[in-house]
Amino acid sequence: EVQLVESGGDVVQPGASLRLSCAISGFNFRSYWMSWVRQAPGQGLEWVANIDADGRLQEFADSLKGRFTISRDTAKNSLYLQMNSLRAEDTAVYYCATQSWANFAYWGQGTLVTVSS
Amino acid sequence: QSALSQPSSVSGSPGQSITISCTGTSRDVGAYNYVSWHLQYPGKAPKLIISDVSYRPSGVSPRFSGSKSGNTASLTISGLQAEDEADYYCVSRTSGTTPYVFGTGTKVTVL
Repeated sequence: EVQLVESGGDVVQPGASLRLSCAISGFNFRSYWMSWVRQAPGQGLEWVANIDADGRLQEFADSLKGRFTISRDTAKNSLYLQMNSLRAEDTAVYYCATQSWANFAYWGQGTLVTVSS
Repeated sequence: QSALSQPSSVSGSPGQSITISCTGTSRDVGAYNYVSWHLQYPGKAPKLIISDVSYRPSGVSPRFSGSKSGNTASLTISGLQAEDEADYYCVSRTSGTTPYVFGTGTKVTVL
């Protein structure tokens, strides 16, 4: 069974850093591009970043470049999102998902990040 | 990079067909056949229902179909059922500085 399980969401103050993790099982993690997608409360989906199967190529939403980084650890079957200088507008549920071009086939259940003073 | 434009809501009676539009530009929807559709129930993760404009992943109901004309992609739900009541999002590859953009989302209501 394909499973993606996000963790690391928390309540943090503006300016803080946070690292999200996504544990993957049930499929060949090494073969897939992976993405992070977020959804602010009551709002729509927003693509955040992706990383290729080898971990060498990353793409980011233009508005997040410089603050967020994405990485993966094949040995641990895990995907990560490092978020720095967090702002109130980063408050959202963050999902990890497999990606093939615009096809996001498998999703985790999401982890909530709240940025508030 | 602006979100793709979708109607905020669409409704229909059981058994009817409805169509949701996803309007972009020549830099996204119009440039690529990399447009997909997802549905999302409240409090749940999205689910892929149409890939690459018009392909249905295994296990997805044949009542869902996708198409594209110019800068607009469309999702049609035929034989509307109560279980189709959800939010629907398109997403496209773009040639802009943000490589992927989602639509604004459409709430489907079954009357």
